[in-house]
Amino acid sequence: GENVEQHPSTLSVQEGDSAVIKCTYSDSASNYFPWYKQELGKRPQLIIDIRSNVGEKKDQRIAVTLNKTAKHFSLHITETQPEDSAVYFCAASAYLRGGFKTIFGAGTRLFVKA
Amino acid sequence: ETGVTQTPRHLVMGMTNKKSLKCEQHLGHNAMYWYKQSAKKPLELMFVYSLEERVENNSVPSRFSPECPNSSHLFLHLHTLQPEDSALYLCASSQDDSLNEKLFFGSGTQLSVL
Repeated sequence: GENVEQHPSTLSVQEGDSAVIKCTYSDSASNYFPWYKQELGKRPQLIIDIRSNVGEKKDQRIAVTLNKTAKHFSLHITETQPEDSAVYFCAASAYLRGGFKTIFGAGTRLFVKA
Repeated sequence: ETGVTQTPRHLVMGMTNKKSLKCEQHLGHNAMYWYKQSAKKPLELMFVYSLEERVENNSVPSRFSPECPNSSHLFLHLHTLQPEDSALYLCASSQDDSLNEKLFFGSGTQLSVL
């Protein structure tokens, strides 16, 4: 079946450094790639997304890149801050007849040390 | 508050019990989803509903029975569960529109099966 691989599972960086999380997907029908942040005890929340017709997107300190040929996509966080500490999930989504089939990666636990 | 409300927040049940999880969205969406979140595992898509019609059932055991009486409400009926079913169950909603893929999650129900 379809799956999304995400690496690393844990990432520890010093405040101010950059963090990179990488994902690969298998379903060729996927055309939307969101990233969710989940803080401890809270619900996942969308932080950035990218569509298959775009190679890169940036929003302040966060950027995503997509290589559709290789089925790779990545999240880059620059100038990390302690409040960036959370679990980050990548996902690949394909539109069904009504609704979306969104498959998530296993998550990356990011620790930003002050 | 994202507009997706789940009750109860916590549930402890025995293997012979029958219980139901409830989800309600106030966002005017017409697609709703159940996801299972276990420790160290990806968010697993369980069911997708669009306009009260089930469009995806991700090989979920029959001891989980979803119900979607209208586009604002989604239930997950539980019976004869196993300890390995203990997890956080997340409800989400989205617009049924190929250009509005963003998922809005509820806070989840933390389920413990004894």
